[in-house]
Amino acid sequence: GESVGLHLPTLSVQEGDNSIINCAYSNSASDYFIWYKQESGKGPQFIIDIRSNMDKRQGQRVTVLLNKTVKHLSLQIAATQPGDSAVYFCAERVGGSYIPTFGRGTSLIVHP
Amino acid sequence: EAGVTQFPSHSVIEKGQTVTLRCDPISGHDNLYWYRRVMGKEIKFLLHFVKESKQDESGMPNNRFLAERTGGTYSTLKVQPAELEDSGVYFCASSLLGGAGELFFGEGSRLTVL
Repeated sequence: GESVGLHLPTLSVQEGDNSIINCAYSNSASDYFIWYKQESGKGPQFIIDIRSNMDKRQGQRVTVLLNKTVKHLSLQIAATQPGDSAVYFCAERVGGSYIPTFGRGTSLIVHP
Repeated sequence: EAGVTQFPSHSVIEKGQTVTLRCDPISGHDNLYWYRRVMGKEIKFLLHFVKESKQDESGMPNNRFLAERTGGTYSTLKVQPAELEDSGVYFCASSLLGGAGELFFGEGSRLTVL
């Protein structure tokens, strides 16, 4: 069936580097995408979202890029900090639905 | 304002026993969701309430799982009888009806079935 997936299960970076976490989706009817961060022992926390009528959205130190042509989503984190270490999930939502579908997650490890 | 709270944070039970997980959503949030994450896998949707009504329970694995939301406030998820494959972290989330789409998650209830 159609699903949201991630290319890399684990990403290790040095503190201060930029991080890029990728996500592929296959449901062409999805029109809303969200990135969540899950720290150890906590629930997923909203980071940033983007609608399908946009291809880029920026937040504080984070940027989400959406390429609808290849059904690809990425999360860029600038100047990665140890506190950014977590599992990052992308999620998609089909238009008219209230239910986001999550991928497997990417573990980001930031080395001091 | 209090966030989504879940209880218990961790439950260890024997196969065949019953467990009831509770979720208190953010006050005023009509949407309530249950998700489950099995080790290393994706966060899988279980079901969605709008107020006290089940809008979508397509993700419920089987009839051993029963979710309720009497009165449209807190929700419970009962697993009876529990099986080994039910182990995982059960997340509850809530959101405003007609809101922007952001779900607010609780910290999860970790279930270990031995």
